[in-house]
Amino acid sequence: NAGVTQTPKFQVLKTGQSMTLQCAQDMNHNSMYWYRQDPGMGLRLIYYSASEGTTDKGEVPNGYNVSRLNKREFSLRLESAAPSQTSVYFCASSEASGGYEQYFGPGTRLTVT
Amino acid sequence: QKEVEQNSGPLSVPEGAIASLNCTYSDRGSQSFFWYRQYSGKSPELIMFIYSNGDKEDGRFTAQLNKASQYVSLLIRDSQPSDSATYLCAVIQGAQKLVFGQGTRLTINP
Repeated sequence: NAGVTQTPKFQVLKTGQSMTLQCAQDMNHNSMYWYRQDPGMGLRLIYYSASEGTTDKGEVPNGYNVSRLNKREFSLRLESAAPSQTSVYFCASSEASGGYEQYFGPGTRLTVT
Repeated sequence: QKEVEQNSGPLSVPEGAIASLNCTYSDRGSQSFFWYRQYSGKSPELIMFIYSNGDKEDGRFTAQLNKASQYVSLLIRDSQPSDSATYLCAVIQGAQKLVFGQGTRLTINP
């Protein structure tokens, strides 16, 4: 039982490049989330998906898009990376929407130069 | 005012003592509260949740909630060096979203 997995673990991009962060969970959870974590800022919600087929903006959605591919997978896309998007990105899942017990993946450390 | 506020620390506590971590929140309608522990370079892991006023105990951890004061705390008894981590307070806002504080860095000194 892997829980929540994320790929890649590390990535370096140049300004303007695009990339997709992948997330998958094997706990049959309905809800999935993408956060970014910056020093001194805690975790900030980028987008979430309360259930398969739905997505909603969180606190900091600008510059990102998401796709809930199926119940297991939720991807985050940066269309044109900017240095301000340098951060650690965490995917999480929970059984029900509204947060409850969220389980986090190992994170992706992204640097945009 | 931030929605969820924590003292960023660092908080330094001697081994064997009680560590007390505090969190305040602004949304009076919040119903559910969580404490996550995050080791350096790792992802957050849930250690406690509390929904009702009062205390909830789990091993060496006690969560305390006072909705009237909009205050939630985490006590760690018999602190161990392995408890050294950043502790994140989180509150459900509205129907969908979990809002995190900035975290308190705790160091347990042997």
